[in-house]
Amino acid sequence: SQQGEEDPQALSIQEGENATMNCSYKTSINNLQWYRQNSGRGLVHLILIRSNEREKHSGRLRVTLDTSKKSSSLLITASRAADTASYFCAMYFGNEKLTFGTGTRLTIIP
Amino acid sequence: NAGVTQTPKFQVLKTGQSMTLQCAQDMNHEYMSWYRQDPGMGLRLIHYSVGAGITDQGEVPNGYNVSRSTTEDFPLRLLSAAPSQTSVYFCASSWALGELFFGEGSRLTVL
Repeated sequence: SQQGEEDPQALSIQEGENATMNCSYKTSINNLQWYRQNSGRGLVHLILIRSNEREKHSGRLRVTLDTSKKSSSLLITASRAADTASYFCAMYFGNEKLTFGTGTRLTIIP
Repeated sequence: NAGVTQTPKFQVLKTGQSMTLQCAQDMNHEYMSWYRQDPGMGLRLIHYSVGAGITDQGEVPNGYNVSRSTTEDFPLRLLSAAPSQTSVYFCASSWALGELFFGEGSRLTVL
């Protein structure tokens, strides 16, 4: 069974607003990653945060990690229509297998 | 630099037929993996490999075989296709504990 869950499952916001997605997991991780998937395409890596890091930024993306709560969040600031996509968290629980969450479908309304 | 290349992009099979999904990467990555994606299920790991000659099962391995004879190639074989294997399949490669680079996917329909 998958060990990562995301919420919300779907999110619609106006262009220019911020979007926040959350990911929860069950056991200790090595690192946590976020990916974006445009409809019908392969996944694209966005950002990686290690288990000893609490926050990381990349452009308009901000990721936080709380290992005590086993949760992470992805914040996209000043959203654009091009941000419309599905977003997945993924975790290395050991050294070999990357396990994905169930995803959040984000729609940006122009 | 092609990255990860999957073929075919689309395939229709009849129940009981066999086929191989091809995956090749040109980044000299140690790790390669196959995922399937079904609506509302995210990506589920089928098989993975940490190097040539080494493979292991993921979350949903039944009905699939893999081999890794070279660093570059990691084919996925469906032994006897079933309608439950209708899905979109993604191959990915990476360094250990690193970001995954994905192919564009192979959409398989089993009738």
